[in-house]
Amino acid sequence: DTEVTQTPKHLVMGMTNKKSLKCEQHMGHRAMYWYKQKAKKPPELMFVYSYEKLSINESVPSRFSPECPNSSLLNLHLHALQPEDSALYLCASSPRDRGNTEAFFGQGTRLTVV
Amino acid sequence: AQSVSQHNHHVILSEAASLELGCNYSYGGTVNLFWYVQYPGQHLQLLLKYFSGDPLVKGIKGFEAEFIKSKFSFNLRKPSVQWSDTAEYFCAVNADSNYQLIWGAGTKLIIKP
Repeated sequence: DTEVTQTPKHLVMGMTNKKSLKCEQHMGHRAMYWYKQKAKKPPELMFVYSYEKLSINESVPSRFSPECPNSSLLNLHLHALQPEDSALYLCASSPRDRGNTEAFFGQGTRLTVV
Repeated sequence: AQSVSQHNHHVILSEAASLELGCNYSYGGTVNLFWYVQYPGQHLQLLLKYFSGDPLVKGIKGFEAEFIKSKFSFNLRKPSVQWSDTAEYFCAVNADSNYQLIWGAGTKLIIKP
């Protein structure tokens, strides 16, 4: 199994809603990532989890809250988002968090904030 | 600071044409190099990677790339493109000691049938 699975695939939420994005991998990878991708742009790193601990937060607003319940799961909790947060949110995993290691990406959740 | 530059933002080719997409990076130390592809509506997939060894690496779908250390380049090539190669192509680099993948801006490739 070389897949990173993300749910839901599409999400529309209002600015006062609370929602969560989910990501799962069963490759035994110890690093997991959240990226944000705007149309026609490269992914922007948001968070890195290494061995289930948050190791990097790229100055992401607190309305985005990551959680890693176990080594296979990664969540992104969303609250009070703004329309400019509409984007494709990508989860990725890699065997480790640095060096010669390849990242595997999920299909993403396309988020629209209305 | 590290950076990655992809020279062409849009490339339009006819089927069977040869392809070369440029990628240059700025970092003086040991790097790992990647090309990812994103087909319309799909997720990012790894085309190929270079960690060490033979600087000419072969990837999936007939793609290859050559690492030229002296030029800080990792150009992507394919001898004969197909309509199905229409996609966005991203070059990415990370330093051996760093978690951060540094991405190029991407090249949108359109293949005319």
